[in-house]
Amino acid sequence: KAGVTQTPRYLIKTRGQQVTLSCSPISGHRSVSWYQQTPGQGLQFLFEYFSETQRNKGNFPGRFSGRQFSNSRSEMNVSTLELGDSALYLCASSPGLAGEGETQYFGPGTRLLVL
Amino acid sequence: AQKVTQAQTEISVVEKEDVTLDCVYETRDTTYYLFWYKQPPSGELVFLIRRNSFDEQNEISGRYSWNFQKSTSSFNFTITASQVVDSAVYFCALSEEAPQGGSEKLVFGKGTKLTVNP
Repeated sequence: KAGVTQTPRYLIKTRGQQVTLSCSPISGHRSVSWYQQTPGQGLQFLFEYFSETQRNKGNFPGRFSGRQFSNSRSEMNVSTLELGDSALYLCASSPGLAGEGETQYFGPGTRLLVL
Repeated sequence: AQKVTQAQTEISVVEKEDVTLDCVYETRDTTYYLFWYKQPPSGELVFLIRRNSFDEQNEISGRYSWNFQKSTSSFNFTITASQVVDSAVYFCALSEEAPQGGSEKLVFGKGTKLTVNP
């Protein structure tokens, strides 16, 4: 079974621009979560999508948004980029079953550099 | 609030040594889940183990073993006879049961960078 895939793997943007990152979950998984990893703050939860609906949200500004499509693929968008948005963005998928602390399987990440 | 503490920032050992990575967690829930992930230089987080709060049985998987103690809120990870390929950053994470189902967010510790020297 193919793992979680993320595109692009590397991205360079300038301040003020916007960016869209893509994530394809493991086949059959309906939940997709996004995390930001920086040297200073570590791994932080951004949001989770299930059945095209945002189900959980972390403490990030509204510049960070996402969506999920009917095939469970997800995109994350960051508008008006700031230098501090430079990070590794990791996507994770899980089956999305009710009532369990499911294991999340991570993709290789997208490294975003904001200049 | 949930919190995960990995007090060891970096550990360096020589190949074949045993090494234990510490993890202490805080949660007010009675139902929760603990995880360990490995992050090699490539960046991808690799899942190692998941435990729920009702299962305190220790686990051994090859050279890896985990010691879960609710009394001390700890979930420590031991690598026996370490190898150079074990060099990576290891993360401990916590999630609580989600009322609406599904994964719920993972709260990660800061990670422990393990270097195994030949």
